[in-house]
Amino acid sequence: KAGVTQTPRYLIKTRGQQVTLSCSPISGHRSVSWYQQTPGQGLQFLFEYFSETQRNKGNFPGRFSGRQFSNSRSEMNVSTLELGDSALYLCASSLDTLGANVLTFGAGSRLTVL
Amino acid sequence: KNEVEQSPQNLTAQEGEFITINCSYSVGISALHWLQQHPGGGIVSLFMLSSGKKKHGRLIATINIQEKHSSLHITASHPRDSAVYICAVSRGNQFYFGTGTSLTVIP
Repeated sequence: KAGVTQTPRYLIKTRGQQVTLSCSPISGHRSVSWYQQTPGQGLQFLFEYFSETQRNKGNFPGRFSGRQFSNSRSEMNVSTLELGDSALYLCASSLDTLGANVLTFGAGSRLTVL
Repeated sequence: KNEVEQSPQNLTAQEGEFITINCSYSVGISALHWLQQHPGGGIVSLFMLSSGKKKHGRLIATINIQEKHSSLHITASHPRDSAVYICAVSRGNQFYFGTGTSLTVIP
């Protein structure tokens, strides 16, 4: 069974640009959640999507957004990039409710903002 | 104040030693997760607990809901156990992470 696939794995952007990251969950998993990991702040929850609806959201500005498609694939977008957005962005999928089911993580997308 | 506190932050052990990593949390939770992250970034979910104790191979996780505390134990540690171990809790619509424990097991 294929795991969680994140693309791209690495990318470099400049301040002010926007970026879109993609996450394909394990087949049959309906929940996709996104996380940001930085050396200073550690892992932080961004948001969760379930059946194409954002169900939960962490404490991030509106520049961070996402969506989920009918096949459960999810994208997250960061607009007007800032240097502090440089991070490893991880997604995870689970069968159902975030937190009450085991999470399977992707390998992450490492974003560098110059 | 962090909702999830882990200790120790760093841990070095000799191969074969018994290891304990602790996690305390300050909020009511629906579940607690133990995650393992190797250099390079990949995260693996080790356990999800809402009560009691779980065991998988050499790894054991326990949780005490009344004391808001969980422990991850590694028996007969091995260099391949070297990684960062992260405790995370889910509460309602939110997910909170500890800062992680960096474990190095020396041959």
